[in-house]
Amino acid sequence: DSGVTQTPKHLITATGQRVTLRCSPRSGDLSVYWYQQSLDQGLQFLIQYYNGEERAKGNILERFSAQQFPDLHSELNLSSLELGDSALYFCASSVDRRGSYNEQFFGPGTRLTVL
Amino acid sequence: DAKTTQPTSMDCAEGRAANLPCNHSTISGNEYVYWYRQIHSQGPQYIIHGLKNNETNEMASLIITEDRKSSTLILPHATLRDTAVYYCIVRVAVSSNQFYFGTGTSLTVIP
Repeated sequence: DSGVTQTPKHLITATGQRVTLRCSPRSGDLSVYWYQQSLDQGLQFLIQYYNGEERAKGNILERFSAQQFPDLHSELNLSSLELGDSALYFCASSVDRRGSYNEQFFGPGTRLTVL
Repeated sequence: DAKTTQPTSMDCAEGRAANLPCNHSTISGNEYVYWYRQIHSQGPQYIIHGLKNNETNEMASLIITEDRKSSTLILPHATLRDTAVYYCIVRVAVSSNQFYFGTGTSLTVIP
């Protein structure tokens, strides 16, 4: 158990819909990262938040957005869903203090299926 | 961050040592080598990391060559539960940016 929690575990929805994925980082971790893993692709970084502010963006579509709340939990919003958005979505957290090793701890993921 | 090259797949007999190689010939002086693994559809799990000295923890050992252009992750006594995809990642330790996961090595431990 990494200490990172994600809900829901599974999500099935239809094209065109909007969903929200939730992540609670490990206690004390300030950074939250979102990754997408499709069947035909490896882990792709989407976006990072640090202490409530966006810090880095990766291959995140404009239809996707995220935020980190004052209690440091994060939500990933996916809208106008397409079949190709079906994937595993992982959240990771890290302490992100200068001088620390900054290894990331991953949650169990949310499996999104778009029908 | 430096690019890494790993074999696509490997097999290892249960109880034997699994040695997973990684080439990172363009590594720079302040970049660490990290190893993660992903057991089928689970979240990636941190294994170990190092800069230039060999490292050992309860899960594995990391051997880094003197020129730091390659490294080997060693699972001393592989079990069936070690079957997973293993990712070698090189990045600056204090960077707060994302990890770039390549294709990794799919390790199959055979009974």
